[in-house]
Amino acid sequence: DGGITQSPKYLFRKEGQNVTLSCEQNLNHDAMYWYRQDPGQGLRLIYYSQIVNDFQKGDIAEGYSVSREKKESFPLTVTSAQKNPTAFYLCASSYIMNTEAFFGQGTRLTVV
Amino acid sequence: EDKVVQSPLSLVVHEGDTVTLNCSYEVTNFRSLLWYKQEKKAPTFLFMLTSSGIEKKSGRLSSILDKKELSSILNITATQTGDSAIYLCAVKGYANAGKSTFGDGTTLTVKP
Repeated sequence: DGGITQSPKYLFRKEGQNVTLSCEQNLNHDAMYWYRQDPGQGLRLIYYSQIVNDFQKGDIAEGYSVSREKKESFPLTVTSAQKNPTAFYLCASSYIMNTEAFFGQGTRLTVV
Repeated sequence: EDKVVQSPLSLVVHEGDTVTLNCSYEVTNFRSLLWYKQEKKAPTFLFMLTSSGIEKKSGRLSSILDKKELSSILNITATQTGDSAIYLCAVKGYANAGKSTFGDGTTLTVKP
């Protein structure tokens, strides 16, 4: 079955640690995205990539980093520079940037 | 800066009721407006409206785009408990590389 897989579903991070969230898709989509969702709020764009080996900052990129070495994979690293990382993180992909997005099941990150 | 405002923020209805969700937007060089349903974790795509497709319908759900009023509505008739979810509205502009700007969502609760 085609889809987007995010792992892990739940992640706990200690203060000062970097953590990496995984996102893999087998939909053969060119575009991939990372969003952050806080309670009672919509989705805010962290980073996006339109093609392999290229990515752009979204609206809230500070404290995050990404890579796009393969078409299928778009991992997100939450660095210690992100001051308030506790949130629900959603990865998505689309055929191209201007079509509808397909979302993964999300990773809930909690700082302990 | 693109902006999306959804109303109401939350809504409680009983099965069989009809609901109307609103989405107002400001976007440079409008390209499309998308509706998503988020039941638990992963948002799923409902509709995409453009200048050439201002009305969409699927079963009990329908949506209309009003380009003059810069808004859209999502109608759900004969609601069911399975319609309980967060409904997200997003817009894309030609000037923004096809990135989506999301509203904060409307949380719909349908009681039996």
